[in-house]
Amino acid sequence: EAGVAQSPRYKIIEKRQSVAFWCNPISGHATLYWYQQILGQGPKLLIQFQNNGVVDDSQLPKDRFSAERLKGVDSTLKIQPAKLEDSAVYLCASSLTRNTDTQYFGPGTRLTVL
Amino acid sequence: GDSVTQMEGPVTLSEEAFLTINCTYTATGYPSLFWYVQYPGEGLQLLLKATKADDKGSNKGFEATYRKETTSFHLEKGSVQVSDSAVYFCALSDRSNDMRFGAGTRLTVKP
Repeated sequence: EAGVAQSPRYKIIEKRQSVAFWCNPISGHATLYWYQQILGQGPKLLIQFQNNGVVDDSQLPKDRFSAERLKGVDSTLKIQPAKLEDSAVYLCASSLTRNTDTQYFGPGTRLTVL
Repeated sequence: GDSVTQMEGPVTLSEEAFLTINCTYTATGYPSLFWYVQYPGEGLQLLLKATKADDKGSNKGFEATYRKETTSFHLEKGSVQVSDSAVYFCALSDRSNDMRFGAGTRLTVKP
């Protein structure tokens, strides 16, 4: 069974530029999550989708971050414009349903903002 | 809100030593508890989990018991190997599957 795929693996941009990350969850998984992991900290949930609908985006900085999952499968997370403090690893995870507590994580995208 | 506090690292052990990484939680309900592991250069992997009080999760020689009375979920392994070197994260999730992670504990095992 293929795992959660993410791309790119690494990205370096300058502040005020925009960037997008892509995630393909495990086939059949209805729930998709985006996390931000700052160096030395645990992952922090940014947004949770159930199929193509947003379930929880309370911790997403909506002035600069946006995410979509238009067809209920792949998802894209965008930052525009980026700030220095956005440097982190962005993790995508998926689970079978919202009430299935095991989440499966992708390898992450490491973003460096200069 | 719900949160997890885990033992600060880094932890350095010799091969075959006993490992304990402490984890305590704060929750209003009855969360599920997890240990995730992150090997160098890889993504987070589920190591073990427990969904109710007194449950014991186990995998690859690691164990953790869900202790409601002490709100703890300490990770233990009787004899660590060099290949266990990684960062270990304690986490909880409530009914909405909102996962809260601890800060992580880096373990280095020396031969």
